[in-house]
Amino acid sequence: GIQVEQSPPDLILQEGANSTLRCNFSDSVNNLQWFHQNPWGQLINLFYIPSGTKQNGRLSATTVATERYSLLYISSSQTTDSGVYFCAVSSLIQGAQKLVFGQGTRLTINP
Amino acid sequence: DGGITQSPKYLFRKEGQNVTLSCEQNLNHDAMYWYRQDPGQGLRLIYYSQIVNDFQKGDIAEGYSVSREKKESFPLTVTSAQKNPTAFYLCASSISSGKSAFFGQGTRLTVV
Repeated sequence: GIQVEQSPPDLILQEGANSTLRCNFSDSVNNLQWFHQNPWGQLINLFYIPSGTKQNGRLSATTVATERYSLLYISSSQTTDSGVYFCAVSSLIQGAQKLVFGQGTRLTINP
Repeated sequence: DGGITQSPKYLFRKEGQNVTLSCEQNLNHDAMYWYRQDPGQGLRLIYYSQIVNDFQKGDIAEGYSVSREKKESFPLTVTSAQKNPTAFYLCASSISSGKSAFFGQGTRLTVV
């Protein structure tokens, strides 16, 4: 099945710093999403981005489907940005599409 | 309020007992999913359903069962055959397979 690899696994930064999170995937995908898991465990949708670039405030994402990677940028980090960031991809398997998750990047923003 | 509701938030089960986790959505989504998350890990797919009255096994379906009798509801039963049921369970839905998925707040199941 499709493999999703995220890097780095852990990232510790000071408030105000910028960060780049990477997601590599092993096969063609139809869709890609970025999520933020908050300290209570809930997954918050950040981007639905099968290709191209999107921006939402301090966050932006770029997916280059032909090269099988996506990047999530966080600028001017705040302590509330802390948590785990997941990349998930959809791959057509046997007529259905399954959302496959990477292992996540744990981001810690220190004040 | 539109969204996905999972209940209960916390659940304790004795070994050997079956337990059912509830997932309800009022988003009129066709596709629904159940994932399991262990501490420090990513999410693994248990079961998914593309449409009412149909569902397929995910990567770790052994010891679990589901039903999809209504579009809004996709309950997950953790059976006594599941050897390590203690985990965080997340339900999701999307308007159709492969489109943007939205998650509920999760159920933390602990076997005591």
